[in-house]
Amino acid sequence: KNEVEQSPQNLTAQEGEFITINCSYSVGISALHWLQQHPGGGIVSLFMLSSGKKKHGRLIATINIQEKHSSLHITASHPRDSAVYICASRGGAGSYQLTFGKGTKLSVIP
Amino acid sequence: DAGVIQSPRHEVTEMGQEVTLRCKPISGHNSLFWYRQTMMRGLELLIYFNNNVPIDDSGMPEDRFSAKMPNASFSTLKIQPSEPRDSAVYFCASSIGLASTGELFFGEGSRLTVL
Repeated sequence: KNEVEQSPQNLTAQEGEFITINCSYSVGISALHWLQQHPGGGIVSLFMLSSGKKKHGRLIATINIQEKHSSLHITASHPRDSAVYICASRGGAGSYQLTFGKGTKLSVIP
Repeated sequence: DAGVIQSPRHEVTEMGQEVTLRCKPISGHNSLFWYRQTMMRGLELLIYFNNNVPIDDSGMPEDRFSAKMPNASFSTLKIQPSEPRDSAVYFCASSIGLASTGELFFGEGSRLTVL
């Protein structure tokens, strides 16, 4: 059974700081999703990646398949980045099942 | 594109009442998922449809829960009768192509409170 662990659970940063959120999973996967959820809001898919690195604006996601580890980086953090970030692993080829982490609550203070 | 549209955004009802949640997936997406999110259990998959056919409903908690997808542009999740422990945020998500390769697009969620 795949397990997804995120760290840290809570993170407070000053505006402008570089932020890293980590995600580890226990079995081989076909893809790793990073999701963002603002308080009381919907869920937005930030990245889906199966290897290497992806970048979108100030957000960067990396994955190391051998180490079963992914990171989400936020450069020049801003208060509007305050949200819960959730990683979710997708099982092997053909799988539709996502195993979700418990989320990392990020607060960026002006 | 309008994205995945869910209604209602908020629903407050009394125990025993029937609740119907609705979802309109993104046009052209042929995979649809219903998820439930609670503080205790996080996000859980309730049911997965592919090309309007239920593929996996093993996450549906009890017979009180049912889901339908009569056509490619509409799905419902029904709870009858509702109970306080059903209080949660219910998300609908859709993807294009095979669920294993497509990026997921979530709706804004339906926050259900059962008194």
